[in-house]
Amino acid sequence: GQQLNQSPQSMFIQEGEDVSMNCTSSSIFNTWLWYKQDPGEGPVLLIALYKAGELTSNGRLTAQFGITRKDSFLNISASIPSDVGIYFCAGQGGAQKLVFGQGTRLTINP
Amino acid sequence: GAVVSQHPSRVICKSGTSVKIECRSLDFQATTMFWYRQFPKKSLMLMATSNEGSKATYEQGVEKDKFLINHASLTLSTLTVTSAHPEDSSFYICSAAGYDNTGELFFGEGSRLTVL
Repeated sequence: GQQLNQSPQSMFIQEGEDVSMNCTSSSIFNTWLWYKQDPGEGPVLLIALYKAGELTSNGRLTAQFGITRKDSFLNISASIPSDVGIYFCAGQGGAQKLVFGQGTRLTINP
Repeated sequence: GAVVSQHPSRVICKSGTSVKIECRSLDFQATTMFWYRQFPKKSLMLMATSNEGSKATYEQGVEKDKFLINHASLTLSTLTVTSAHPEDSSFYICSAAGYDNTGELFFGEGSRLTVL
């Protein structure tokens, strides 16, 4: 089936640093989404991207939908302790199905 | 925003028993619900698509007789793990899509199943 390659798998940074993660796919998606998941909870939507080339911000988060529709990145600026968690990219094709990346586990040292 | 609630959040059962997990959309009608399974430190894998009033569509490799899905109303879908075994232990998460055309999915809090 479809797979998304998300990298890096884990990041260890200092508070205040910027973070960047990305996803690539062998397939085209109509929508790219970025979620954050805290332990023992379901994913929470951070940013949704609907058009190729679209660059969208949500506070300190910025994400872009690649021109080829096969990739996306998420940047977090000036990280804070509550940014800790697992970040997943997801591609949405037809029938609203989501394909998730492997996740990026973010750890922040104060 | 829209709220999707799952129950129970945690369940422990003996091997061979069946367990039912509920997924409810609390403030909107969900025409379609999705069930995912997540192993520790792994990503979410789609198990099946549940459409109100019709049979669920299962992803390749998911046993439909093992994971029974019922979507009897626009606000409730249930996943029943039948004759559970330890390898069925996992985190099960549902998501729901509303009537609007944005395609946004709302996720439940997840249900952690442990089979002894």
